[in-house]
Amino acid sequence: KAGVTQTPRYLIKTRGQQVTLSCSPISGHRSVSWYQQTPGQGLQFLFEYFSETQRNKGNFPGRFSGRQFSNSRSEMNVSTLELGDSALYLCASSLARLAGGPYNEQFFGPGTRLTVL
Amino acid sequence: TQLLEQSPQFLSIQEGENLTVYCNSSSVFSSLQWYRQEPGEGPVLLVTVVTGGEVKKLKRLTFQFGDARKDSSLHITAAQPGDTGLYLCAGALHAGGTSYGKLTFGQGTILTVHP
Repeated sequence: KAGVTQTPRYLIKTRGQQVTLSCSPISGHRSVSWYQQTPGQGLQFLFEYFSETQRNKGNFPGRFSGRQFSNSRSEMNVSTLELGDSALYLCASSLARLAGGPYNEQFFGPGTRLTVL
Repeated sequence: TQLLEQSPQFLSIQEGENLTVYCNSSSVFSSLQWYRQEPGEGPVLLVTVVTGGEVKKLKRLTFQFGDARKDSSLHITAAQPGDTGLYLCAGALHAGGTSYGKLTFGQGTILTVHP
């Protein structure tokens, strides 16, 4: 079974631009979560989608948004990029349906390295 | 305030030594996962522990979940250079809707095993 895939792997943007990142989950997984990883803050939860609905959101500004399609593929968008948005953006897929349930193992993709100049 | 305190942050040891990484919290987790991450790649799931007091072994790696499900440890026996990497613990809170799809991560432990 293929793993989680993310495209593109690397992106370089300038301040003020916007960016869209894509994530394809493991086949059969309906939950997709997004995380931002930086050296200073570690992995921080952005949001989670299940069946095309955002069920949970972390403490990030409204410039960070996402969506999920009927085939469970997900995209996240960052508008008006800032230097501090430079990070590794990771998506993870899971079979989980219930909050806090024992089967919420998350499997991560390789990430998209975003550099904002 | 970090919900999951992971220690030590850095660990540099010689091949053949044993080591333990700790993950502690004041919160109760419904499950806890350990990941290993290589530079420039995503975290790879090593194990999930669910039951308080649970112990799982993966070759030379032993994972333990505390009785109260607030802490966990990872013990590596006879470390090898191939064990080098960033080790992350991540917990799923049992807190209703606010925990959907959200893992809370520790700061990570950078392990270097010298030949």
